Amino acid sequence: AQSVTQPDIHITVSEGASLELRCNYSYGATPYLFWYVQSPGQGLQLLLKYFSGDTLVQGIKGFEAEFKRSQSSFNLRKPSVHWSDAAEYFCAVGVDFGNEKLTFGTGTRLTIIP
Amino acid sequence: DTGVSQDPRHKITKRGQNVTFRCDPISEHNRLYWYRQTLGQGPEFLTYFQNEAQLEKSRLLSDRFSAERPKGSFSTLEIQRTEQGDSAMYLCASSSETGDQSDTQYFGPGTRLTVL
Repeated sequence: AQSVTQPDIHITVSEGASLELRCNYSYGATPYLFWYVQSPGQGLQLLLKYFSGDTLVQGIKGFEAEFKRSQSSFNLRKPSVHWSDAAEYFCAVGVDFGNEKLTFGTGTRLTIIP
Repeated sequence: DTGVSQDPRHKITKRGQNVTFRCDPISEHNRLYWYRQTLGQGPEFLTYFQNEAQLEKSRLLSDRFSAERPKGSFSTLEIQRTEQGDSAMYLCASSSETGDQSDTQYFGPGTRLTVL
């Protein structure tokens, strides 16, 4: 069965600093990979996704992620964070073309300090 | 595109009571999913519909849980004889088989259930 690991439970960065959130997956074939963001008490908003092709994908709000098959990773990056980026970030993997179910990591909570 | 909507947003109930949640997917989406999210965890898959057919159910979905999508549009999730362990955020998502956003799940705001 597929699984997702987000090794960092909580990350604190200064506003304007760069950010990298780690995600590792376990699956025997090429997965479909997603990053979602969740603000407190809210649902999940899709940031970006990888299905195939270019391994560097661009998303909304200035985020990007890179799929590295050799490392089974799909890390999320942003060159300069804003206070509004403070939220919970979830990496997810889908293993069927129809993505009948997503398997999520436990999330990384991002705190921004002025 | 008005997004996925869920009702109610919050529900407080006493142990042993039945509750029902509703999800309205994005109008052209034929796939609908239910997830459960407990505090400090990522969402966990519960069940999935394609049109009106329920195609997959997680082992997390005990006999007290039932989900329907009678006309292939909105869906309901009912929990009978609620237990304190049912307290969680229940998330609904929808996706389409076609189009440039196919196979991407879009989530609603969730229904937060508290069982006293």
